[in-house]
Amino acid sequence: EVQLVESGGGLVQPGGSLRLSCAASGFTFSSYGINWVRQAPGKGLEWVSYISSGGANIYYADSVKGRFTISRDNAKNSLYLQMNGLRAGDTAVYYCARDKGVEGYYFDYWGQGSLVTVSS
Amino acid sequence: QSALTQPPSASGSPGQSVSISCTGTSSDVGAYSHVSWYQQHPGKAPKLMIYAVNKRPSGVPDRFSGSKSGNTASLTVSGLQAEDEAHYYCSSYAGIKNLVVFGGGTKLTVL
Repeated sequence: EVQLVESGGGLVQPGGSLRLSCAASGFTFSSYGINWVRQAPGKGLEWVSYISSGGANIYYADSVKGRFTISRDNAKNSLYLQMNGLRAGDTAVYYCARDKGVEGYYFDYWGQGSLVTVSS
Repeated sequence: QSALTQPPSASGSPGQSVSISCTGTSSDVGAYSHVSWYQQHPGKAPKLMIYAVNKRPSGVPDRFSGSKSGNTASLTVSGLQAEDEAHYYCSSYAGIKNLVVFGGGTKLTVL
């Protein structure tokens, strides 16, 4: 069974940093691209970042470019999101989502999410 | 403001059909056949329902179908059931600069 489990969320002050992790199991992690997608409270979905299976291709939404860094450790079946310079607008549930592996960037498995709250 | 435009709400009675639209631009929906739809129940993670405009992942009922014409994509749910009540989000590939864009979501109510 495919499982994605996020951790590392919490309350952080504006300007602070946080590192999210996503532990994967039930599939060959190193064969799939993975994404971070966030959802502000009561709002819609927003794609945040993508990393390819081997880590060579990385993309960011304009809203987080220069502040967030995505990375992965295929030996540990883990995905990370380093978030720096956090703002109130970054408050959201952050999901890791597996790319389906066909052309077009589709998210076929999702974690349960990790809540990040940016507030003083 | 979301990149793709969806109606905030839609509704139908059990057994009826309902369609939800998703309007983008010639840079996303209109440019690629890479539209997908996600279902999200309250407090749950989204679930992929349709990808590549009209393909269903394994396990998704054939009551769910997708289509696209120009800059507008649509999700149709036929034979509405109570468990179909949820938020639905469309998504499209938008090119290498801003990979994926979502719609603002549509709350589907089964009357």
